[in-house]
Amino acid sequence: DVKVTQSSRYLVKRTGEKVFLECVQDMDHENMFWYRQDPGLGLRLIYFSYDVKMKEKGDIPEGYSVSREKKERFSLILESASTNQTSMYLCASSFVKGTYEQYFGPGTRLTVT
Amino acid sequence: AQSVTQLDSQVPVFEEAPVELRCNYSSSVSVYLFWYVQYPNQGLQLLLKYLSGSTLVKGINGFEAEFNKSQTSFHLRKPSVHISDTAEYFCAGANFGNEKLTFGTGTRLTIIP
Repeated sequence: DVKVTQSSRYLVKRTGEKVFLECVQDMDHENMFWYRQDPGLGLRLIYFSYDVKMKEKGDIPEGYSVSREKKERFSLILESASTNQTSMYLCASSFVKGTYEQYFGPGTRLTVT
Repeated sequence: AQSVTQLDSQVPVFEEAPVELRCNYSSSVSVYLFWYVQYPNQGLQLLLKYLSGSTLVKGINGFEAEFNKSQTSFHLRKPSVHISDTAEYFCAGANFGNEKLTFGTGTRLTIIP
């Protein structure tokens, strides 16, 4: 079974802090994704990576950056956390040229106070 | 650009009654469609997917969906729901050649005992 893990289930940070969210997948997937989920808005893509050191902006990249130094790991970075970044963050992965099915981690609920 | 619309944000249903969750998509090219389920405090899990072939797709937990090209719909159905089906359901779509999924805003299914 594909496993996608995220470093924390719950995280509380203060405004202005630098925040790292980590995601690891064990199926050798080329693609990895970071989404944020907010009530009534569904999932919105923040960043997408299709290979090591390759990234592409999603629909809402402002205030975020990403890092992918190894194929299995994709990090989301909030350079200076703000209260409007309080949300559920979901990581996913998939094969390139596969069936487009994405496999999701359990999510990190981030609260910025 | 691909867009996915879920027409109902909340659907209450009595236990053992049938349910239909509606999803419409817009696309002028080949399209792949998915239904995901999210149980409370968990990530998303694939219920079923349509890639090609038979327009009636069967998934896990007794769910099925029908791809209707003329109505650009991909509605999810279950003939008899259980308390354990209480969750949020997301419809998603992708265009051929584009690795990213576009998600609907979700439908919260509540089962009434």
